[in-house]
Formats: sequence, C-alpha cells, structure tokens
Amino acid sequence: AAGVIQSPRHLIKEKRETATLKCYPIPRHDTVYWYQQGPGQDPQFLISFYEKMQSDKGSIPDRFSAQQFSDYHSELNMSSLELGDSALYFCASSLVTSSYTDTQYFGPGTRLTVL
Amino acid sequence: GDSVTQMEGPVTLSEEAFLTINCTYTATGYPSLFWYVQYPGEGLQLLLKATKADDKGSNKGFEATYRKETTSFHLEKGSVQVSDSAVYFCAAFGNEKLTFGTGTRLTIIP
Repeated sequence: AAGVIQSPRHLIKEKRETATLKCYPIPRHDTVYWYQQGPGQDPQFLISFYEKMQSDKGSIPDRFSAQQFSDYHSELNMSSLELGDSALYFCASSLVTSSYTDTQYFGPGTRLTVL
Repeated sequence: GDSVTQMEGPVTLSEEAFLTINCTYTATGYPSLFWYVQYPGEGLQLLLKATKADDKGSNKGFEATYRKETTSFHLEKGSVQVSDSAVYFCAAFGNEKLTFGTGTRLTIIP
C-alpha cells in the first residue's frame, strides 16, 4: 500500500538559510499534519491542513510557513534557519471524512541539520 | 489540553521476556488511543489503536486495552524479540489533536 512520502530525506543547511520540505500524503487522504521531533523528544505538532486550508496551528515559529496544494501535497517552508531548528520533521496524513478520522499515518521524516 | 504520560525509559529486557510499557492519559472526552513505534533511523509506524473503552488493539504480538476507569492504555507483549528494539510512543487523539507521550526506548538483548 502507498505510504506518505517525504522529500528530501536529509537536508543540511547553514544558519540563516531557507529550506523547503515536501510531503505527499497517502492517495485520497485529505488532511496533512507537520510535526517536529528534536533529539530524544516526542513529536511536536506544528500545523495541519484540511482540503488545502489551514485547519490547526501548533508551536510553529513565525519563520516557518506551510501550504497544501491542489494535488494535496504540502510544503513546509523554513526561513532564517537557526541551529535549534535541527530536528526530524514528520509529515502525517489522514482521511478526515471517514470513520478513521483519528488515525494519522506518518512519513519517514526529513532530517534537517543546520550548521 | 490532553496529555499522555508514559513509562520512562530506557527499558532493557532479555529476549523472550514479558514486556509492559505503561501509558496513562488525561483528556476531557474519550480520545482514541494509539501506540506508535519508531525503529532506529526511521519514521513513526502505527502499531495498534483502540477507539473506545474496553477495546483491545493488537498487532505483531503486541496488545493494549483501553481502560476508561484507569485512563490507561498499557502496551504488552508476551515474548519480546531483538527486532522489537525501538522507541515506543503512546498517543491520544482528542479535540482533533494527536498528543504524544515522551517515548520509551526499548532494548532487547539476546
């Protein structure tokens, strides 16, 4: 079965640079979520989109923005990168308009390293 | 908001030992409950879930029962294998949010 796809898998950037992470949800899933997982930490919710509209916002810095496109893929844009942004970034998708609205399926993550 | 508390790690067991990882939740309603597993260098994989009281989720020999009276969702496995070494996250979905516990690192030694 198709899973959530994230690209790139690894990304190395310098401080103050920008980065764009991409997420392709499971086909027909209508909701995308972004999480940040620091070393040894649990995933922290950043932002979510349902049917291309932002549906919820968590602890996402103002330097970050995200959107969901007409094909349901999503991009997380990160600017003015800081050392503390080094983390694993997960995307998850779910099909809200179903009886499985509560189940999120996670991608393999993008490991961002800021030098 | 909702919160999830799970057993602190790390946990080290011998192969074929019995495993319990405790998880309790605090929520205003009745959240759906999940266990996710994260193998080294990989993403989060859904291990099992339960959506209402007394439901039992099971997968790959792991089980967890949704206990409303004790607000718990403890993960158990009767006989662990080296390949079960990973970090296990308990999570609760309520008010359209998925809240994770801090994760428990499990290491199984041969």
